[in-house]
Amino acid sequence: DTAVSQTPKYLVTQMGNDKSIKCEQNLGHDTMYWYKQDSKKFLKIMFSYNNKELIINETVPNRFSPKSPDKAHLNLHINSLELGDSAVYFCASSPGLAGGHEQFFGPGTRLTVL
Amino acid sequence: GEDVEQSLFLSVREGDSSVINCTYTDSSSTYLYWYKQEPGAGLQLLTYIFSNMDMKQDQRLTVLLNKKDKHLSLRIADTQTGDSAIYFCAETGYSTLTFGKGTMLLVSP
Repeated sequence: DTAVSQTPKYLVTQMGNDKSIKCEQNLGHDTMYWYKQDSKKFLKIMFSYNNKELIINETVPNRFSPKSPDKAHLNLHINSLELGDSAVYFCASSPGLAGGHEQFFGPGTRLTVL
Repeated sequence: GEDVEQSLFLSVREGDSSVINCTYTDSSSTYLYWYKQEPGAGLQLLTYIFSNMDMKQDQRLTVLLNKKDKHLSLRIADTQTGDSAIYFCAETGYSTLTFGKGTMLLVSP
């Protein structure tokens, strides 16, 4: 059984389009995250949600809007895509806020903006 | 602010030991982690150490923590080609992890 799943795995789109990436976890965790990994493999936190409430919102453009319909899902919607948004986006979840809790990562969504 | 530094690349021969180093800045970190990322995959927790420990051993993995110098290392004994991956050090903040930039380990036969 997949613990943290993301769809789609690959996403290729034109500049200016709006796209969404979905994430689901079946681990019963309270906390979910979105990370961005750039071409140099640098991994940075974008958002974290705990019990559907936004906890962390790092310096991310307003074009990125996370939505958590329930504890098991955290989706990422991106408006007006730009070339610099090309990256791999990882969803993760943990039993609670980090600090002794392992984070379980999804397989990633490779976004390419042309 | 929090910052985690790692060397970017390490190359070893199969059967040798690998040592990946990491320095961090947040002295209040209670846990420090090592994650592994294989090509095309997400991150997977390898091991972690609690801040009041100096060393933790888990089969071929040994984690050393020097809290005074804020230095963490991961030693992989008898490195295998399957260990080739990117290894991320991470420290805990209040509500998330801060990752280093990752060390690419390349193991040659």
